[in-house]
Amino acid sequence: EAGVTQFPSHSVIEKGQTVTLRCDPISGHDNLYWYRRVMGKEIKFLLHFVKESKQDESGMPNNRFLAERTGGTYSTLKVQPAELEDSGVYFCASSQDRSRLYNSPLHFGNGTRLTVT
Amino acid sequence: EDQVTQSPEALRLQEGESSSLNCSYTVSGLRGLFWYRQDPGKGPEFLFTLYSAGEEKEKERLKATLTKKESFLHITAPKPEDSATYLCAVHFTGGGNKLTFGTGTQLKVEL
Repeated sequence: EAGVTQFPSHSVIEKGQTVTLRCDPISGHDNLYWYRRVMGKEIKFLLHFVKESKQDESGMPNNRFLAERTGGTYSTLKVQPAELEDSGVYFCASSQDRSRLYNSPLHFGNGTRLTVT
Repeated sequence: EDQVTQSPEALRLQEGESSSLNCSYTVSGLRGLFWYRQDPGKGPEFLFTLYSAGEEKEKERLKATLTKKESFLHITAPKPEDSATYLCAVHFTGGGNKLTFGTGTQLKVEL
């Protein structure tokens, strides 16, 4: 079984530019999550999709961040325009069963390391 | 405020030297506590889920336990390949379907 795939693995952009991160979840996993770890801090929740619908976007920092999951398969996270504080590692995770998170643990991708200069 | 605190931040052990990592939490209604292992440049890898106080789970040299306020990850006779960052995360009532993570314990096991 292929794992969660994220692209690119690294991205270096200048402040004010736009970046789009992509996540391909494990096939058949309806639940897709985005998390972020900024330097020295804990991994923090950004948002949760069930299929193509946003279930919870309470962790999105501001309206410069836009996540989509068209067709309920892969997801993109766009940052526009990027600011210095957006630097960090962005993780995507997927799971099968939304109603029982504890029975269906999250499978994480290797992350995209975003550096905004 | 719901919080997860891990200690120590970093731990150096000699091969074979057993120890424990701590994860304390203050959440309103724990639904599950998760342990993950993270290697450099990789995403977190699931280890265990604990649901209620008194529960224990084991996997190879690792054993996780849970009380009403904290969880321990016991490492027995560690090997260099156990070197990694160990993350604790909780799923709590009212938290939707998200995990709240601690900052992790960076474990280094030396020969």
